[in-house]
Amino acid sequence: KAGVTQTPRYLIKTRGQQVTLSCSPISGHRSVSWYQQTPGQGLQFLFEYFSETQRNKGNFPGRFSGRQFSNSRSEMNVSTLELGDSALYLCASSLVYASGGAEDTQYFGPGTRLTVL
Amino acid sequence: GDSVTQMEGPVTLSEEAFLTINCTYTATGYPSLFWYVQYPGEGLQLLLKATKADDKGSNKGFEATYRKETTSFHLEKGSVQVSDSAVYFCALSSGNTPLVFGKGTRLSVIA
Repeated sequence: KAGVTQTPRYLIKTRGQQVTLSCSPISGHRSVSWYQQTPGQGLQFLFEYFSETQRNKGNFPGRFSGRQFSNSRSEMNVSTLELGDSALYLCASSLVYASGGAEDTQYFGPGTRLTVL
Repeated sequence: GDSVTQMEGPVTLSEEAFLTINCTYTATGYPSLFWYVQYPGEGLQLLLKATKADDKGSNKGFEATYRKETTSFHLEKGSVQVSDSAVYFCALSSGNTPLVFGKGTRLSVIA
């Protein structure tokens, strides 16, 4: 079974631009979460989606947004980029139980390395 | 809120040495506990997990036991290899909540 895929793998943008990152979960996984990884702050949760609805949101400004499509693929968008947005953005997917809760085990993609100049 | 504390790195070991990376947690309820590994230039790979007290997770020679009384989930391996060089993250999840990660411990194994 194919793993989580993320595109693009590398991205270079300049301050003030916006960027869209894409994530395709493992087949059958309907929950998608996004994390930001930086040397200073470590791994921080951005948001989680399933059934095309945002279920949890981390403590990030409104410039960070996301969405999920009916096929469970997800995108995240960062508008008005700042130098501090340079990071590895990781997507993770997990199963959703019939009861509606997501399995606690998450499987990660390779990440998108965003550099803001 | 929930939190995870890992031993500070980096840790440098010779090949075939014994590895322990300490991890303690603070959580309400009964979280699931995880170890993830990140190789250079890659995402996170699930190494092992445990979902209840006294469970032992194991994979690729690595082991960790869920100790509720000491709120710990220390990672161990009896004989490390150069290929184990990576960053190791301890994490927890309480119910339907996002993963909470420790800061990571960089391991370097020298031949």
